[in-house]
Amino acid sequence: EVQLVQSGAEVKKTGESLKISCKGSGYEFTSFWIGWVRQLPGKGLEWMGIIFPADSETRYSPSFQGQVTISADKSNNTAYIHWNSLKPSDTGIYFCAGGGFGAEPRYYFDYWGQGTLVTVST
Amino acid sequence: QSALTQPASVSGAPGQSITISCTGTSSDVGNYKVVSWYQQHPGEAPKLVIFGGSKRHSGVSNRFSASNSDNTSSLTISGLQAEDEADYYCCSFGKGSYVFGSGTKVTVL
Repeated sequence: EVQLVQSGAEVKKTGESLKISCKGSGYEFTSFWIGWVRQLPGKGLEWMGIIFPADSETRYSPSFQGQVTISADKSNNTAYIHWNSLKPSDTGIYFCAGGGFGAEPRYYFDYWGQGTLVTVST
Repeated sequence: QSALTQPASVSGAPGQSITISCTGTSSDVGNYKVVSWYQQHPGEAPKLVIFGGSKRHSGVSNRFSASNSDNTSSLTISGLQAEDEADYYCCSFGKGSYVFGSGTKVTVL
């Protein structure tokens, strides 16, 4: 069974860098698209981007292009999202979600990580 | 790409049926096969309810159904139960991006 387990909550200061993770198990990691979704406090879901670990093909939402970097490490079945310089407006919950197997991602996400709370203070 | 439009809240009594709409454009929701719906209880990750426009995800109650017309997708919950109280989001894919709806809070009276 596909499982996505995310790293724990983070508390950071403005300007600091951060990388959070999403470890996949129970399936062939390299051939499974993994997406990232943001949820600001009390707000809705926003798609950030998606990666195909086999070749690290990455697609970003225009809203997040240049703001974050999505990567994957095939050696430990883990996807990441990285910020170079955090802002208080980055405070929120970040979910990884499974986008399916194959050359193109599916149009839906049927597996989700538990979410990682990121808090950025001034 | 702007969020798809959903009503902020919908409520109903136990046993009743409610419908949540999700309106977009011909570039996203208009292609209903790329529409999915998610349920999110407070403090939890979203769960897939509907995919491919109207297909129920494995394990989802048959009280959940979806239909599509023009640029609007609609999620119907029949026989409303207390456990259905949650936030619901539609999602579509268009122009190379996924876009979520603004979200609807369902309250069981």
